[in-house]
Amino acid sequence: NAGVTQTPKFQVLKTGQSMTLQCAQDMNHEYMSWYRQDPGMGLRLIHYSVGAGITDQGEVPNGYNVSRSTTEDFPLRLLSAAPSQTSVYFCASKIVAGDRSYEQYFGPGTRLTVT
Amino acid sequence: AQSVTQLGSHVSVSEGALVLLRCNYSSSVPPYLFWYVQYPNQGLQLLLKYTSAATLVKGINGFEAEFKKSETSFHLTKPSAHMSDAAEYFCAVSNQAGTALIFGKGTTLSVSS
Repeated sequence: NAGVTQTPKFQVLKTGQSMTLQCAQDMNHEYMSWYRQDPGMGLRLIHYSVGAGITDQGEVPNGYNVSRSTTEDFPLRLLSAAPSQTSVYFCASKIVAGDRSYEQYFGPGTRLTVT
Repeated sequence: AQSVTQLGSHVSVSEGALVLLRCNYSSSVPPYLFWYVQYPNQGLQLLLKYTSAATLVKGINGFEAEFKKSETSFHLTKPSAHMSDAAEYFCAVSNQAGTALIFGKGTTLSVSS
């Protein structure tokens, strides 16, 4: 299994540009999520999904859109990038029931800079 | 609502010394607690987790943590630090619905020879 994969690894955007961060997992996990990591802030949840067609907001959803059309993929869209969205973005996944349902598996991250 | 506080943003130890990283939590329900490690320019790796079984939890790389309900703490320890332990460590608690991890701000561990 490749686990959780993210592309691209690095991206530089100009203010106002749009882009999509890709996330895929091959573990058949129902739950997928996006976090952002900022210095001194830990990780904060942006959006999450508990299955295809189901998404919900996390702690810091503004400026980001998500959709979940398949179990494997959970892209994160920035419609109009702002410098405040400069961050490292992590995708994570897990099962939703059972002994290990609280254990999230993280991807390697995407480092985004908005100038 | 759940929350996590990590005491000390930076901890420095000598190789072979005890490692102690502190984490206190707030939760209105029995918590699920985690420690993750992040090596430079990498993702997060689960070190260990507490899910209401044994209060002393053993993880990977010789780390362990003890859940103390009376102190609302879940401190991470390792008897003897190794240079390869240098990384950032995050304590986290799951929300009640299991839909989010609430992270502390992280502690950077430095190990000197």
